[in-house]
Amino acid sequence: GESVGLHLPTLSVQEGDNSIINCAYSNSASDYFIWYKQESGKGPQFIIDIRSNMDKRQGQRVTVLLNKTVKHLSLQIAATQPGDSAVYFCAENFFGNEKLTFGTGTRLTIIP
Amino acid sequence: GAVVSQHPSWVICKSGTSVKIECRSLDFQATTMFWYRQFPKQSLMLMATSNEGSKATYEQGVEKDKFLINHASLTLSTLTVTSAHPEDSSFYICSARAQEKLFFGSGTQLSVL
Repeated sequence: GESVGLHLPTLSVQEGDNSIINCAYSNSASDYFIWYKQESGKGPQFIIDIRSNMDKRQGQRVTVLLNKTVKHLSLQIAATQPGDSAVYFCAENFFGNEKLTFGTGTRLTIIP
Repeated sequence: GAVVSQHPSWVICKSGTSVKIECRSLDFQATTMFWYRQFPKQSLMLMATSNEGSKATYEQGVEKDKFLINHASLTLSTLTVTSAHPEDSSFYICSARAQEKLFFGSGTQLSVL
């Protein structure tokens, strides 16, 4: 079936540097995308979302980019901090469908 | 953001016993809640959609008689793992939609001995 997927399970970044986490999706009907942060032993925490009528959205220290042409989603975290260390998941769904499909996740480690 | 409370955060039980996990929406009403399962170093897999006042909708491959879901009120959904076995050991997470976003509980780590 169609899925959202990541193939880079780990990423290490020096504290203070910027990080980019990528996600590829395959369902062309998807029109809503979300990034979640999950710390060890906890539930996912909403970071930022974007709808398909946009290609960029910014939050506090985070930016999500959406490229519908190549079905690619990325999360940029600026000036990384130790507290950013976690697993990051992208998720997607489409209008009328309440269910989210999660990607495989990327573990981000911030090196002090 | 909205708060989803999940309890207990961890539970250890003997094989063959049943375990109940509660999911509450604290500051909003949720007609629909979702239950996910997550194995170590893996992504979240949707198990079922819990609907207030009606039967849950289970994903393909999820045994509805093993994973009983009850959504008796607009703020509470429960997942009961019946006759638990070691292979049921996992991290179970609930979620609910508020303000057009999906918020998650803190998860329940189930260990079946």
